Amino acid sequence: GQSLEQPSEVTAVEGAIVQINCTYQTSGFYGLSWYQQHDGGAPTFLSYNALDGLEETGRFSSFLSRSDSYGYLLLQELQMKDSASYFCAPLNQAGTALIFGKGTTLSVSS
Amino acid sequence: NAGVMQNPRHLVRRRGQEARLRCSPMKGHSHVYWYRQLPEEGLKFMVYLQKENIIDESGMPKERFSAEFPKEGPSILRIQQVVRGDSAAYFCASSPPGQGPDWELFFGEGSRLTVL
Repeated sequence: GQSLEQPSEVTAVEGAIVQINCTYQTSGFYGLSWYQQHDGGAPTFLSYNALDGLEETGRFSSFLSRSDSYGYLLLQELQMKDSASYFCAPLNQAGTALIFGKGTTLSVSS
Repeated sequence: NAGVMQNPRHLVRRRGQEARLRCSPMKGHSHVYWYRQLPEEGLKFMVYLQKENIIDESGMPKERFSAEFPKEGPSILRIQQVVRGDSAAYFCASSPPGQGPDWELFFGEGSRLTVL
C-alpha cells in the first residue's frame, strides 16, 4: 500500500522560514509533487522533484531524498498570502495519478 | 486561454437523486483526473481518463459512480442515487498529451455537492 505523513498544522510569522516535511511509503516511486490550496479552492502546482536534491523556485524550494522516502517544502520570507494548505503528492503504484495526503495547514500571522 | 472549467460550482440534491458534474479541460489537454475532497481532508483520487478511455478507475466506488470523457464535449462524473456521504467537493484536473500526472496538473475550482 501507500502512506503519506505530513504535519497537520504549522504556524509562523511574516518574514519567517517554514519547512513542511513529508514522508511517504510507496512501491514504484516516481517522484514527489507539491501543491498549494487556498480556502478549498483549486489546488495549484508548486514543484516537482524526480531526483534527490533541492529544487528552487523563487521563495519556495522543495527537497527530495529517495533513499529516506522523505521530502520537504521550504517557504522563505513568508507572507500572509502563503496561509493555505500544502500537499505533498507522490504518484500511485501504477504511475497513473497523484496521491494526496491530508495536507498541512499553514497559518502566517503578522 | 481558459483554465479548467467545472460546472456546476454548487449542486444540491436530495437523497436518491442523480448528480452530474462536468469538467472541460484546458484547451489542448487530453488527460482528465477526478478527485473528491471532504472537509478538512486531502484530495482522494477517483478516476483518470483520456478521450473515450478510462485509464485508471481504481479510486471510484464500485457502485453508483461512473465517469466518461467523450470524443466531443466535457468529461462527466455521474453519481446515481446520491447519499449524504457523497457530499463533498469534486475537483477535476487536466494535463496535456504526453505529460503524466507528475508534471503539472491544472485543477478547476471544483463542484460542491450537497446531499440533503
